Formats: sequence, structure tokens, C-alpha cells
Amino acid sequence: QQQVKQSPQSLIVQKGGISIINCAYENTAFDYFPWYQQFPGKGPALLIAIRPDVSEKKEGRFTISFNKSAKQFSLHIMDSQPGDSATYFCAALGHGSSNTGKLIFGQGTTLQVKP
Amino acid sequence: DAGVTQSPTHLIKTRGQQVTLRCSPKSGHDTVSWYQQALGQGPQFIFQYYEEEERQRGNFPDRFSGHQFPNYSSELNVNALLLGDSALYLCASTRRSLGGPSYEQYFGPGTRLTVT
Repeated sequence: QQQVKQSPQSLIVQKGGISIINCAYENTAFDYFPWYQQFPGKGPALLIAIRPDVSEKKEGRFTISFNKSAKQFSLHIMDSQPGDSATYFCAALGHGSSNTGKLIFGQGTTLQVKP
Repeated sequence: DAGVTQSPTHLIKTRGQQVTLRCSPKSGHDTVSWYQQALGQGPQFIFQYYEEEERQRGNFPDRFSGHQFPNYSSELNVNALLLGDSALYLCASTRRSLGGPSYEQYFGPGTRLTVT
């Protein structure tokens, strides 16, 4: 119930194309869904995040689509660029009794954008 | 605005030894979480500190312990190192809202621990 399942494991997209990464969760207590971008040798960087009361959030070329009933959410990268080549992690956050949250991460998607 | 900082960057230890990793949270943040990221995997939650106390703990043995100082910085200690402890150790910080939950977590660059 604490798992977040992410797909695909790897993705190759042409420059200018749309990259789509999907995640699914089971725990309905999750109330915050961020996406992180990680370059080799670096820590994950917060990219964009959504709360379950919203079905879509857009920031620049990055969009999260959220389907509460299906317990799925996805990241869309429009006009993908070679600089977007990185590993992307979806995550979900639930709060314990102390109201502090721990992030549960998906397995990651390695994106390669070809010039 | 200083982000999350971690030290050291890299560390090589021998099986059975003990290690201490350090983290300074982002300015204005008071809550620190530690994660372990094995090669090719997503980060796994170890524990979280707020008000100098461990608030939540993931599925890690007691060999993993931590501490938070009054200035909100934190240490992760691992005793009796195993080969399987080799990983990138990440620190994340957030600001706990007054009486409410915290959401956005910002990660540091990590400490790469190699156990031989």
C-alpha cells in the first residue's frame, strides 16, 4: 500500500517531442505528488508537484495530470530538449500522526532526448 | 539563499566501521529527512527529524541513527557498516507549517558512501 509504481523504466524521445512518464499509487492517504529530476552525481531537484484537489498543473514545458479515481498521475514534458535528459522520479507523500511527511518514490525513468 | 548542503561529498569505509554524515538544511527550514539511494533505484526514506527528535522512521535497522542540532542541522550515523550500505545518502529539508503538515522537500547533493 506504500508503493508507487512508475513506468516506463527508460524512454527515448526526439528533440521537440513529448515525453510522458506515468505513476500509480494505492494509498489514498497520500496528499501530495511531486516529480523530481536527477542528473548523474546530483541530488534530486524538485520539478513540479500537485495536490489531489487539482486535476492538472502546468509550469512552463512541464505538466502534471492527476486522476484521483484511478490513483494515477503523469508527467508530460512538452518540446523535449537534450538538456532534459535525466532520471525522473515520481513520489507521493503521506503524513503520519506527527504531521511530518515522508516521500515514497517510484523506481525512476531514465529519459534520453536525441538531438 | 543557501540550499541544502551535505558533507562529505564522497567517503570510503571498510566493512564493520562507523560513519557520520552531515547535513545543513535550506535557510528557513526546520525539518530534515534522510534517504538512501542505491544505484539505479529511487531514494528510500530512513528517518526524519524535527525539533531535535526523530519523528518518523522507515524500514532501516537500528544501526542507522541520527541527530538534529538546535540550528536544525543534522547527522546520520551508521554503525557496523555492511557492503550493502554502499549508496548515495541524501538529506532533504522542509519547513513545517505552524501546526500543519509540511510538503515541499528539497534535497542536497548527497554523500556517496562506498563500503569495501
